[in-house]
Amino acid sequence: DAGITQSPRHKVTETGTPVTLRCHQTENHRYMYWYRQDPGHGLRLIHYSYGVKDTDKGEVSDGYSVSRSKTEDFLLTLESATSSQTSVYFCAIRRHEDTGELFFGEGSRLTVL
Amino acid sequence: AQRVTQPEKLLSVFKGAPVELKCNYSYSGSPELFWYVQYSRQRLQLLLRHISRESIKGFTADLNKGETSFHLKKPFAQEEDSAMYYCAANSGYALNFGKGTSLLVTP
Repeated sequence: DAGITQSPRHKVTETGTPVTLRCHQTENHRYMYWYRQDPGHGLRLIHYSYGVKDTDKGEVSDGYSVSRSKTEDFLLTLESATSSQTSVYFCAIRRHEDTGELFFGEGSRLTVL
Repeated sequence: AQRVTQPEKLLSVFKGAPVELKCNYSYSGSPELFWYVQYSRQRLQLLLRHISRESIKGFTADLNKGETSFHLKKPFAQEEDSAMYYCAANSGYALNFGKGTSLLVTP
């Protein structure tokens, strides 16, 4: 679906370096999410946001921070990347607040060497 | 703990055979449940949610509160159904996903 984009789509980095992934929406929705997808683990929630400057932790938030300074952007930062953070990261938005249905971005594949 | 369980990592069926992907949940009450599909290296797409009871791409899923299950079914599998399937439940603020089942439909 148009309306949600992630950047970069692919990134290779080294252990210990900082990494920021960006999720951008054009639809002005309040809720935004970051999940990571790993074989054997499915999708796990990292952080989510329910408004500008309003964020909360998910089940696998250690090693990650987020920021939402404006409605359209939700940034995920790995302060010091580790090999265990090699994953595919998906951003999602909630288009209708009366349902939990999420719409996903195309994913960002991160490799930490 | 609230949990979504998909017991099968991989399910392989022949084209034209019926397919059932299992999903069990451990939520109290009546959670909002979904099935998502992910084709090779693409984004996750909503396949169906139990509230709408629509049939998409020939798939259906019935909520069984007694067994706390939401199994996904299709009477005749097609090769293009090969994908990763995720069951998910609304935890109140986010979706909680199962670990996924990889469906392989062979000719």
